[in-house]
Amino acid sequence: DAEITQSPRHKITETGRQVTLACHQTWNHNNMFWYRQDLGHGLRLIHYSYGVHDTNKGEVSDGYSVSRSNTEDLPLTLESAASSQTSVYFCASSEFIENTEAFFGQGTRLTVV
Amino acid sequence: AQKITQTQPGMFVQEKEAVTLDCTYDTSDPSYGLFWYKQPSSGEMIFLIYQGSYDQQNATEGRYSLNFQKARKSANLVISASQLGDSAMYFCAMREVSGYSTLTFGKGTMLLVSP
Repeated sequence: DAEITQSPRHKITETGRQVTLACHQTWNHNNMFWYRQDLGHGLRLIHYSYGVHDTNKGEVSDGYSVSRSNTEDLPLTLESAASSQTSVYFCASSEFIENTEAFFGQGTRLTVV
Repeated sequence: AQKITQTQPGMFVQEKEAVTLDCTYDTSDPSYGLFWYKQPSSGEMIFLIYQGSYDQQNATEGRYSLNFQKARKSANLVISASQLGDSAMYFCAMREVSGYSTLTFGKGTMLLVSP
């Protein structure tokens, strides 16, 4: 069965370190997204991609970057981790069809100390 | 201005009763889609139901139905015959044509179902 997986599921890192969260999907979807979930804010869009070599900034992109070198993967990098980036991160993918849902990974809980 | 507003931070319902979770949205796009997701305590995001802006009928999926009132810009989720397993966080989300495939989420409603 097709799926979307995130790794690691949990990570603790120190302030100032570079961190990369992995996202891999086997749906063969062109669209991939990164969201962060914080209490009282719901899910907010960080970055998204419509295909290989395409990346776009979302609502809360400062301090984050992504790259898309193939269809399956969209890694999220925190250039210099800050305590404000402690959050749960979700990767998602979807087809480019209006009425289809986005499929989400299991989430990565990141703690910056 | 918020694009998706969920005014109920928490809701309580007894098992077997119906419950309505509110969602209002704000868009000027003529074409958009509305989604509801469930997030149980385990954390995964589970798609429940979709309503397109041009759909003439309210969407239904098993015990879930979407009460779509376009003029009022509301897309409330109705869960009939609540079950203990329905206890979870519920998110309303919107996809606008101008936003391509990105989803904008509300802040969520926590539903607790009691025996």
